Amino acid sequence: AQSVTQPDIHITVSEGASLELRCNYSYGATPYLFWYVQSPGQGLQLLLKYFSGDTLVQGIKGFEAEFKRSQSSFNLRKPSVHWSDAAEYFCAVGGGSQGNLIFGKGTKLSVKP
Amino acid sequence: DVKVTQSSRYLVKRTGEKVFLECVQDMDHENMFWYRQDPGLGLRLIYFSYDVKMKEKGDIPEGYSVSREKKERFSLILESASTNQTSMYLCASSFGFAGFAGPQHFGDGTRLSIL
Repeated sequence: AQSVTQPDIHITVSEGASLELRCNYSYGATPYLFWYVQSPGQGLQLLLKYFSGDTLVQGIKGFEAEFKRSQSSFNLRKPSVHWSDAAEYFCAVGGGSQGNLIFGKGTKLSVKP
Repeated sequence: DVKVTQSSRYLVKRTGEKVFLECVQDMDHENMFWYRQDPGLGLRLIYFSYDVKMKEKGDIPEGYSVSREKKERFSLILESASTNQTSMYLCASSFGFAGFAGPQHFGDGTRLSIL
């Protein structure tokens, strides 16, 4: 079955520290992969996407993610976290012309001063 | 930038009412989606549409219907609202062409309370 797993429900990091959010997927075909961020009371904003090519993709707000096919993973990273990065992060996988996505249940990021 | 606009940020309705949630996108996208989001359950797909007048059930369509009369507008209808439909509702759109779909772009959401 197709699925996305985000193993960490809640992560707390100190401001200025590095960040890695984990995402593992199960998908039968070539996956398209996405990371979204949601601030409280808001919709989801696209951080970055992977369709093909270079397995290290750069996104907005200084985020990057690496696609590892052998590990079925698409982890999100940021070298230095800012207080404004506190939000909930969703990994998603999809494909096909209708663009249906399967979302993980999200990882809530807290940033301490 | 893609703009997906949901007609209301907050909405309070009563049990048994017929409720309409409206969503409009300005990028001529083929695909449109309705999700509900609940704590601990993530996003769950209610319905989606890949063309005008076309609709497909998602994972949790019971108690909902949709309408897509124009390409830019996708409406979610709660036929007879119940308290278990209190939730955050998110609309999204994406382009789709020749077997490929782009990323989904989301509106700001409608927080619906059914009393």
